[in-house]
Amino acid sequence: GENVEQHPSTLSVQEGDSAVIKCTYSDSASNYFPWYKQELGKGPQLIIDIRSNVGEKKDQRIAVTLNKTAKHFSLHITETQPEDSAVYFCAATSSGYSTLTFGKGTMLLVSP
Amino acid sequence: SAVISQKPSRDICQRGTSLTIQCQVDSQVTMMFWYRQQPGQSLTLIATANQGSEATYESGFVIDKFPISRPNLTFSTLTVSNMSPEDSSIYLCSVDRTGNTGELFFGEGSRLTVL
Repeated sequence: GENVEQHPSTLSVQEGDSAVIKCTYSDSASNYFPWYKQELGKGPQLIIDIRSNVGEKKDQRIAVTLNKTAKHFSLHITETQPEDSAVYFCAATSSGYSTLTFGKGTMLLVSP
Repeated sequence: SAVISQKPSRDICQRGTSLTIQCQVDSQVTMMFWYRQQPGQSLTLIATANQGSEATYESGFVIDKFPISRPNLTFSTLTVSNMSPEDSSIYLCSVDRTGNTGELFFGEGSRLTVL
């Protein structure tokens, strides 16, 4: 089955800096890669996703890149703000069945 | 996005008892999923709840311990049976509202503490 590795487990940045979280996956059949943000006491919220037919996707301060050859994908957050502080999870799945395999999560702390 | 309501939001339970968690979605969905998130950990899929058929359980999870109901396309329940402290977790309901694309939306979770 799929295995998703996520690094780092914790990340501390100053407000305004950029943050990068990286994930690798094992199943070459995986073709959908979402990122979730989980704030304290809440359920995970989908913030951005990418499919295997594109290499990069942006949404305002958030971007995701995908390298299918190397089987890794990354989340990039620019101009970080304190409200970006949360746990971020990457995930992967192959099409046709919505059973996501999640990474272990990255706790991002943005200091004012 | 989908509006997903879970009840209870949190509970403290005694060892050996059972608790049923309810999940209500604001629109009809084909597939509903139950995840477990142990303290400080990632999300692990327990089972897929399909309307009109038995739930499909992932490795390590069995129906006797986690019976699931799916009476219609907007509602599901997960029961945690004969609880032990190791069952203390957040249990999350999720749906793929767009239909088998992997775009999951999650409820707020039910935080169970077993004493």
